[in-house]
Amino acid sequence: DSGVTQTPKHLITATGQRVTLRCSPRSGDLSVYWYQQSLDQGLQFLIQYYNGEERAKGNILERFSAQQFPDLHSELNLSSLELGDSALYFCASSPHRDRAYNEQFFGPGTRLTVL
Amino acid sequence: AQKITQTQPGMFVQEKEAVTLDCTYDTSDPSYGLFWYKQPSSGEMIFLIYQGSYDQQNATEGRYSLNFQKARKSANLVISASQLGDSAMYFCAMREGLRSNFGNEKLTFGTGTRLTIIP
Repeated sequence: DSGVTQTPKHLITATGQRVTLRCSPRSGDLSVYWYQQSLDQGLQFLIQYYNGEERAKGNILERFSAQQFPDLHSELNLSSLELGDSALYFCASSPHRDRAYNEQFFGPGTRLTVL
Repeated sequence: AQKITQTQPGMFVQEKEAVTLDCTYDTSDPSYGLFWYKQPSSGEMIFLIYQGSYDQQNATEGRYSLNFQKARKSANLVISASQLGDSAMYFCAMREGLRSNFGNEKLTFGTGTRLTIIP
């Protein structure tokens, strides 16, 4: 158990709908990351937040948005869903220690199925 | 060009043997880090080992070691004395700009290698 929690574990919805994925980072971790894992695209970085502010952006569609709240939990909002959005969505968190790298601890993922 | 290349889609290895999973990378940034993650069938991503571009020695963590050849831009994962529980997908990942891009910790992943340990 990495200490990162994600809800829900599974989500089945229809095209055109909107969903919200939730992530709670490990206690004390200030950074939250979202990744998408699909058969077509592999594992892709979407966005990073650090202490409530957006820090880095990857291949995130305009239909997707995210935020990190004052209690450091994060939400990823996916709207106007398409079949191709079906994927496993990971949230990760990392501490910020005074060293060159900070390993990212991944949550169990939310499996989104768009029908 | 692919930033991270894992050329072995799948591997079968006898239990207790050592196994090497290949990873090559492409970056012009002198300051970067390389990570290996394991993804069992249950789906979670487990951090295994890290190697920094300026590290003088190859990283080791228990049965995992990293064969880092900077000039060849390769960072192969070596698992010694493989166990049945090592059966999983293994991903190599890179973070660029360790010293120039503080706070941006985006990881770029390879396509992974599915390792199956045979009893």
